[in-house]
Amino acid sequence: NAGVTQTPKFQVLKTGQSMTLQCAQDMNHEYMSWYRQDPGMGLRLIHYSVGAGITDQGEVPNGYNVSRSTTEDFPLRLLSAAPSQTSVYFCASKGGVGTEAFFGQGTRLTVV
Amino acid sequence: AQSVAQPEDQVNVAEGNPLTVKCTYSVSGNPYLFWYVQYPNRGLQFLLKYITGDNLVKGSYGFEAEFNKSQTSFHLKKPSALVSDSALYFCAVRDGGFQKLVFGTGTRLLVSP
Repeated sequence: NAGVTQTPKFQVLKTGQSMTLQCAQDMNHEYMSWYRQDPGMGLRLIHYSVGAGITDQGEVPNGYNVSRSTTEDFPLRLLSAAPSQTSVYFCASKGGVGTEAFFGQGTRLTVV
Repeated sequence: AQSVAQPEDQVNVAEGNPLTVKCTYSVSGNPYLFWYVQYPNRGLQFLLKYITGDNLVKGSYGFEAEFNKSQTSFHLKKPSALVSDSALYFCAVRDGGFQKLVFGTGTRLLVSP
């Protein structure tokens, strides 16, 4: 049981480039989310999805797009990378109400 | 909006001593509270949760947490710290009726030999 798988683990982008961070889960969870982790700020929610075809914005959505075409996959797209998007990104999936979230290993992104 | 606060950026404790990592919450309604741990260059791992019932919740790796409604606190505790417990600890709360989790800023625990 792989849980939540994120790719890539590391990425360096130039300002203005675009890319997609991949996230896949094999637990048949309806709820998936993307967070960014910055020093001293904890984890901040970027976007989330409560099921295939349904997405919504979190706390810091600007500069990011998501889609959810299947239950398993929830990719995060950076449209035009900026240095302020240098961060560690985590994908998480969750089952029913009151259950815990499972996190991927993270993607460390540097925008130069 | 629901929120949690972790008032200490870092907690230092000697191996073998008890440890406490503090968390206070602000929610409307009944809180669903969680603790996660993050080891270097890893994702977050679930430790324990409070949904309802006993105020003392036991979790993984010998950790426990005490839910205190009057003080709106959910402090993480362990009777005897290990050097391997050194990590970043996050408290989180469910955001209202939604599945979203709101995280605190994290507390770094450093256990010295």
